[in-house]
Amino acid sequence: DAKTTQPNSMESNEEEPVHLPCNHSTISGTDYIHWYRQLPSQGPEYVIHGLTSNVNNRMASLAIAEDRKSSTLILHRATLRDAAVYYCILRKLDRPGNQFYFGTGTSLTVIP
Amino acid sequence: GAVVSQHPSWVICKSGTSVKIECRSLDFQATTMFWYRQFPKQSLMLMATSNEGSKATYEQGVEKDKFLINHASLTLSTLTVTSAHPEDSSFYICSARDIAGQGAIYEQYFGPGTRLTVT
Repeated sequence: DAKTTQPNSMESNEEEPVHLPCNHSTISGTDYIHWYRQLPSQGPEYVIHGLTSNVNNRMASLAIAEDRKSSTLILHRATLRDAAVYYCILRKLDRPGNQFYFGTGTSLTVIP
Repeated sequence: GAVVSQHPSWVICKSGTSVKIECRSLDFQATTMFWYRQFPKQSLMLMATSNEGSKATYEQGVEKDKFLINHASLTLSTLTVTSAHPEDSSFYICSARDIAGQGAIYEQYFGPGTRLTVT
């Protein structure tokens, strides 16, 4: 299974930027990097995804290292509603079902 | 945006009985749906990939006779936990992939989950 490594937990002050790291040293050239987040007792929610270039959307930015062995999810101004578990997932293009295999994720605490 | 629903949202059943969980894509068609299980404070574990009109593909270690999956239409997949036991108590989450590829490439839209408690 495609392996990602994330810190178990992180804290951030409200309205400050948050950088959530993810290591994926076994990534292959065609693997997409997806980020989802999960609030307690809910299903995961899509945040962002990318392949090689940095990506921005209304929720966050994704910075991908040049060698693609790591990436960072950036929340520009953390709010209390951003407190969740954030999962970094590799989607392998050569896998017929394009399944997601979730790692342990990072539990983000936002301090008011 | 794409919405996936699950029913029921929570269920309590007695040991030895069977429970069916429905997963529906409400505003899009999904040839592929996925079923996950999540224990408290743990990550999601993929159980099986459900393909419309064909047999599900189960992950290693998941008993196909215990977790029956049916994907009879492009908007509905069901998971039946047969002869449930207390160790089957968990949070079951489904996801669906939009056949038309709307939104992110191969993005999965997740349902809200079903909390199963077996007494």
